[in-house]
Amino acid sequence: KQEVTQIPAALSVPEGENLVLNCSFTDSAIYNLQWFRQDPGKGLTSLLLIQSSQREQTSGRLNASLDKSSGRSTLYIAASQPGDSATYLCAAPSGNTGKLIFGQGTTLQVKP
Amino acid sequence: NAGVTQTPKFQVLKTGQSMTLQCAQDMNHEYMSWYRQDPGMGLRLIHYSVGAGITDQGEVPNGYNVSRSTTEDFPLRLLSAAPSQTSVYFCASSFSGTATYNEQFFGPGTRLTVL
Repeated sequence: KQEVTQIPAALSVPEGENLVLNCSFTDSAIYNLQWFRQDPGKGLTSLLLIQSSQREQTSGRLNASLDKSSGRSTLYIAASQPGDSATYLCAAPSGNTGKLIFGQGTTLQVKP
Repeated sequence: NAGVTQTPKFQVLKTGQSMTLQCAQDMNHEYMSWYRQDPGMGLRLIHYSVGAGITDQGEVPNGYNVSRSTTEDFPLRLLSAAPSQTSVYFCASSFSGTATYNEQFFGPGTRLTVL
């Protein structure tokens, strides 16, 4: 059974810093992993979907990596800005289905 | 495209009342699902559908009903609301019910309080 963990639960960094958010999963037979952003009181916005055949996926200042053998995915945010402050969630499908298993999220605060 | 839409945005119910949370998508997606988000519990799957006329239970289905008569709509019904159903409800959709190359899109959520 797939389980997804995100540590730390909260992170505070000064503006301009490069940072890495971590996501761990237990089933290495993973089909893909999706990263979301959630602003307070809002829905989930899809940031990146990285397939099992890919090692990295990039969108602007965001770069997601996937290492199936170690059961880890990372979301790298370059040159962080106060507008990046939000909760970041990772999710993996349960087997080859659309059912997503979510981590608890990392709440990021970028201080000006 | 409007993407995934949900109504209402907020709702307050009394214990025992029933209501329907609406969800619609205009992307011609086959797969739709409902999650609830609670502090400390994260997001948990309630029900899902792999196509019109086909629904199945997720992790926490008790107290909820769904039906899928069209590709576009996937309403969630609370039969007899209980305080334990106070939560934020999210609807999601994706192209198919398999994982491969299957990005999921979420609606803005419905914030439900049961008194």
